Amino acid sequence: KAGVTQTPRYLIKTRGQQVTLSCSPISGHRSVSWYQQTPGQGLQFLFEYFSETQRNKGNFPGRFSGRQFSNSRSEMNVSTLELGDSALYLCASSPGGREYTDTQYFGPGTRLTVL
Amino acid sequence: QQPVQSPQAVILREGEDAVINCSSSKALYSVHWYRQKHGEAPVFLMILLKGGEQKGHDKISASFNEKKQQSSLYLTASQLSYSGTYFCGTETGTASKLTFGTGTRLQVTL
Repeated sequence: KAGVTQTPRYLIKTRGQQVTLSCSPISGHRSVSWYQQTPGQGLQFLFEYFSETQRNKGNFPGRFSGRQFSNSRSEMNVSTLELGDSALYLCASSPGGREYTDTQYFGPGTRLTVL
Repeated sequence: QQPVQSPQAVILREGEDAVINCSSSKALYSVHWYRQKHGEAPVFLMILLKGGEQKGHDKISASFNEKKQQSSLYLTASQLSYSGTYFCGTETGTASKLTFGTGTRLQVTL
C-alpha cells in the first residue's frame, strides 16, 4: 500500500497570507489527524477528522481549520499567517473506528516557512 | 496537558540499556510510543491500553502503570539504529486526541 502523502513538501509564505496543505491517507483509512511540530513545542495536535467529521480539536486559534473529503483526503488551512506558524505540519492517517486512537501512520510533512 | 518525558536527552554506547519515562497528570486510557529519526516522520513503536500491561518486540518494550499514570519505554542492548527522538503520546478518553510529550533525544554511539 502507498503511504501517506502530503503536498506541497515545502512552502514559503509571508505574514498575512493564507495557506492550504493537503494530505492523502493510506487507502482504506478513514481517520486523518494533523500535527504541528516545532523544536520547542514538539508534536502538537491540531485536529482529527473521521468520516468527514471533525472528531477532536486541539488548542489552536480559529485561523487553523481543516476539512475531510468523501475519499478521506484532508486539507488544512491557515489564514492570516504569523511568523510563529513556521513549522513542520504532519498529517497522520489511521483506520479509525476503534475505541482508542489507533496507530498513526505519519506522512513526510509540509515544511512551512513564514517570512 | 502535555505528558512529561524524562530524561530530555540521553547518550548511550552501543549495547547499553536505557529507560524513557512518560508521566501524565491525568488518568490515561492509552499510551503510544513513536520514534522519529532526524528529517523523517515519526514511526509507530507500540500502543499500551489501560490495564497495566507490558508490551515488547525485539529489544524494545514498554510498561503502563495506570495507577501512577506513567509509562516507561525500555531499550535493551541498544543499537546504532535506535538513535532518534522518542515521543510518548497519551490519550485520556475513548477515541480522544493524542497528546504528545516534548520528546527524549537518544543517541547511541560506538
